[in-house]
Amino acid sequence: NAGVTQTPKFRILKIGQSMTLQCTQDMNHNYMYWYRQDPGMGLKLIYYSVGAGITDKGEVPNGYNVSRSTTEDFPLRLELAAPSQTSVYFCASSYKGRRTEAFFGQGTRLTVV
Amino acid sequence: AQTVTQSQPEMSVQEAETVTLSCTYDTSESDYYLFWYKQPPSRQMILVIRQEAYKQQNATENRFSVNFQKAAKSFSLKISDSQLGDAAMYFCAWLRQGGSEKLVFGKGMKLTVNP
Repeated sequence: NAGVTQTPKFRILKIGQSMTLQCTQDMNHNYMYWYRQDPGMGLKLIYYSVGAGITDKGEVPNGYNVSRSTTEDFPLRLELAAPSQTSVYFCASSYKGRRTEAFFGQGTRLTVV
Repeated sequence: AQTVTQSQPEMSVQEAETVTLSCTYDTSESDYYLFWYKQPPSRQMILVIRQEAYKQQNATENRFSVNFQKAAKSFSLKISDSQLGDAAMYFCAWLRQGGSEKLVFGKGMKLTVNP
């Protein structure tokens, strides 16, 4: 049971660099989410997707982009990394329905220097 | 906009004792879910318990139970017989049922369990 898989687990970026955080799920969930968690804070929603080809902004979308070409994959793109994007990033997925528990990946710790 | 508030940033409890974590939320929706998630030092987010707003009965999962007060928009988590493994960050979360479902989290609360 792979569940939600995020890669990489850790990454250090230099200011201005770009990268893609990968997220894949094998549970056939239609909903997928990207959150960031800053130290001592809760999770803030960056982007989410209700199905392949459909994405929408969350609370803090600036500096990020997403795509959802398949049900399984929901990559998060950081363009022109900034120190303010230093955070732990979580991908999650859920199935719309009466039992809508969200399953989370292990998180990616990103440091921008 | 929906908000979830956890007003206590930290709490501590003695092993084997009972502790209650508080959470309030603000929404005009009538059909939604509430969750408590646990985040140990491993960073993994683990679902502790779930409550459907349409159910009047409070959810229970072994040593974990909730006190759901819909009118007061309150959703507290009670941990009975606290164990060292319960030490973690605890997050309260809200999810609207139907339409565009976005899971909204509180800021979290750090629980320390003292031996």
